[in-house]
Amino acid sequence: DAKTTQPNSMESNEEEPVHLPCNHSTISGTDYIHWYRQLPSQGPEYVIHGLTSNVNNRMASLAIAEDRKSSTLILHRATLRDAAVYYCILRGGTGKLIFGQGTTLQVKP
Amino acid sequence: DTAVSQTPKYLVTQMGNDKSIKCEQNLGHDTMYWYKQDSKKFLKIMFSYNNKELIINETVPNRFSPKSPDKAHLNLHINSLELGDSAVYFCASSQFPGQGTSSNQPQHFGDGTRLSIL
Repeated sequence: DAKTTQPNSMESNEEEPVHLPCNHSTISGTDYIHWYRQLPSQGPEYVIHGLTSNVNNRMASLAIAEDRKSSTLILHRATLRDAAVYYCILRGGTGKLIFGQGTTLQVKP
Repeated sequence: DTAVSQTPKYLVTQMGNDKSIKCEQNLGHDTMYWYKQDSKKFLKIMFSYNNKELIINETVPNRFSPKSPDKAHLNLHINSLELGDSAVYFCASSQFPGQGTSSNQPQHFGDGTRLSIL
């Protein structure tokens, strides 16, 4: 299973944009890039996914590099409720989600 | 209405006991999963069932036996509990991931069962 690399932690100020990077240099052509987040004492929550093109939904945007070896999750205006661990995951045909250590996002008021 | 619900939320028991955790989803999904999150917060898949059939088994000890009476339920039974089984166990569900574009089906997780072995 292809691996992802994320910074251990990041900080942001409330109401500012946040860019969470992810490197996945061994991604295969059929791997989808998924992002999940885990709020304290809760189960993981789906955020967004993409294959090649940039994606937007109500929660976030996903910017995918042209060579697909990296991607960035963008939260347009961070709120205190966005403080969580964010996981970048490559998902292939088996459907398995292989979680790494993720990025712990702190949001300061 | 809770989409994926697990019971109990907390489970404290002695080493050597047998216990079960129940999971139910009301999303109409046909695939369910069990994950384990250890004390270092690493989340790891244990099992996956599609339409009551086991499709993923990630080298989990035989003491762990999942049971799927129907596609809306996936229970986890653990025999002879050990100290190392202490963790948070998460149940999840999705439409069958399959191949190609189907592999983008998001998974929906429950809030977890915190198992503590004394």
